[in-house]
Amino acid sequence: GAVVSQHPSRVICKSGTSVKIECRSLDFQATTMFWYRQFPKQSLMLMATSNEGSKATYEQGVEKDKFLINHASLTLSTLTVTSAHPEDSSFYICSAYPASGGPDTQYFGPGTRLTVL
Amino acid sequence: GDSVTQMEGPVTLSEEAFLTINCTYTATGYPSLFWYVQYPGEGLQLLLKATKADDKGSNKGFEATYRKETTSFHLEKGSVQVSDSAVYFCALSDWDGNNRLAFGKGNQVVVIP
Repeated sequence: GAVVSQHPSRVICKSGTSVKIECRSLDFQATTMFWYRQFPKQSLMLMATSNEGSKATYEQGVEKDKFLINHASLTLSTLTVTSAHPEDSSFYICSAYPASGGPDTQYFGPGTRLTVL
Repeated sequence: GDSVTQMEGPVTLSEEAFLTINCTYTATGYPSLFWYVQYPGEGLQLLLKATKADDKGSNKGFEATYRKETTSFHLEKGSVQVSDSAVYFCALSDWDGNNRLAFGKGNQVVVIP
């Protein structure tokens, strides 16, 4: 089946630094990717929709200046957590789907565990 | 807005036991319903789906029936195996062309040999 990768799988950083997380669709082109955040024992919360070649669409309550999303190609979207703080520590998951696909054709990455000290 | 509620807490059971994970939803439209599974160290994978009322989704011995009257989509498996140990997420998509999914909290299932 289709594969979506994320890099890094784990990252630990100091408060105030910025962290970039990559999401790649390895064997298909994805015009749209989604970024989710998951707190312990909580559901996945959609943060933003990343569209290739255009600005991301952020969910209500998500700071777009805090969580910068770039979808520069049909196989790569990046999420940059700027000036990270301990409350940004979380599990970040991306998903992608082929251009003609429906909601059941989303493929998820394995997630990135961010810990901010 | 649309939301999904899963039963609280992890589920621990013995091999060959019957598994049920409850899922109920709230939606304004006519959503499609999904169960996703996440094995350790891997991304979420679609387990099964149902797109309209009374549809039954099935895969790998798991089943779930779209019950509009009770707004439910409970997941069942008659005889679990150790390899079924994973986290299971119920989700819905109100098919409006945006492909957005709303997830439940997930249930950790641990199957003991």
